[in-house]
Amino acid sequence: GESVGLHLPTLSVQEGDNSIINCAYSNSASDYFIWYKQESGKGPQFIIDIRSNMDKRQGQRVTVLLNKTVKHLSLQIAATQPGDSAVYFCARRESGAGSYQLTFGKGTKLSVIP
Amino acid sequence: NAGVTQTPKFQVLKTGQSMTLQCAQDMNHNSMYWYRQDPGMGLRLIYYSASEGTTDKGEVPNGYNVSRLNKREFSLRLESAAPSQTSVYFCASSEAWGQEEYFGAGTRLSVL
Repeated sequence: GESVGLHLPTLSVQEGDNSIINCAYSNSASDYFIWYKQESGKGPQFIIDIRSNMDKRQGQRVTVLLNKTVKHLSLQIAATQPGDSAVYFCARRESGAGSYQLTFGKGTKLSVIP
Repeated sequence: NAGVTQTPKFQVLKTGQSMTLQCAQDMNHNSMYWYRQDPGMGLRLIYYSASEGTTDKGEVPNGYNVSRLNKREFSLRLESAAPSQTSVYFCASSEAWGQEEYFGAGTRLSVL
């Protein structure tokens, strides 16, 4: 079946350093991929998305890279701040046959060390 | 503008009891969703409503029913709760099916 998974369950980063969170996927028929941030006790919050016809997309302090050759997705956070501490999920949105369901990965917990 | 509001925030049930989780959104969105999140797992789609008047099964619909009461409200019902349904339940909405989803704060349910 299809899956969206993460390489590391936890990541600790010093405040001010850059963070890189990785994600692997196994299905190539996806329209796009999305990164979500989930703070403790809250629902997931959209960060950034990228369509499968793109390699890179930048937002405010965040960059998502998509390598379709190796089916790998990464989220880079520049100058990580304590407020970035959360669980980060990658998700894949299906395409075709009228289905747009989201499939979530298991999440990576990012801890920022002050 | 509260976004997506879920009630209750916490609930403890005994096996076999029934209950309904409520969700309302004030963003005039057409599509609404119910997910569950188990420890160490990503969210899994239970049911969704692409538009008012329609509902469809997601990845894990067994043991649940839903009602799209009107455009604002989408409820999730457990007719006979089981310990396997212990989870955190999230409701979400989007302007249209397949667009960015906005999530509520979740309902933490324990079934004993």
